[in-house]
Amino acid sequence: GESVGLHLPTLSVQEGDNSIINCAYSNSASDYFIWYKQESGKGPQFIIDIRSNMDKRQGQRVTVLLNKTVKHLSLQIAATQPGDSAVYFCAENNNNDMRFGAGTRLTVKP
Amino acid sequence: SQTIHQWPATLVQPVGSPLSLECTVEGTSNPNLYWYRQAAGRGLQLLFYSVGIGQISSEVPQNLSASRPQDRQFILSSKKLLLSDSGFYLCAWSVGAATDTQYFGPGTRLTVL
Repeated sequence: GESVGLHLPTLSVQEGDNSIINCAYSNSASDYFIWYKQESGKGPQFIIDIRSNMDKRQGQRVTVLLNKTVKHLSLQIAATQPGDSAVYFCAENNNNDMRFGAGTRLTVKP
Repeated sequence: SQTIHQWPATLVQPVGSPLSLECTVEGTSNPNLYWYRQAAGRGLQLLFYSVGIGQISSEVPQNLSASRPQDRQFILSSKKLLLSDSGFYLCAWSVGAATDTQYFGPGTRLTVL
């Protein structure tokens, strides 16, 4: 059974809606950020990254926003699909030190 | 393209038994390699990383060890497992600076009984 992310914050959305997953990072000197998606029992998958000289980056159906003033990172998923159900976590890098958040569990209701 | 493999996928071992988890990367040369442990509801904990053959850095004291006998092979070992060693173990690789993206393997679920 699934034990990764057993007590994580959760977000439940309706299929087709947009999802916004948030991450507060700890180090104002961090200069590189990544979002990962982790499905049950599997390894994390890279979704999108952003460097500190940017405040927005777009991929396919995903957008990452970076607000360095408040040390906040968000992942927006457009037209959320059942296959998007997973744990999403962010990572921050400062001076070769990568730190990972615990994540948010996204559940998509059909 | 690059791929990363881990085996076994799942493992059940008695307390006090030895451990050997293997990770291999294909499609890249001289990768940085990492071992993480993931506990329920918590972020990834870095256990070991390696920037080259025979070069291992340990992040936390524990009864685990790591070795890198070949450029694209990373092994996590223990001589005697503890109950607290149970968890989900992930191997990852990156190239270039450590600031580059890390790509993860499928993981090994270890249960120590």
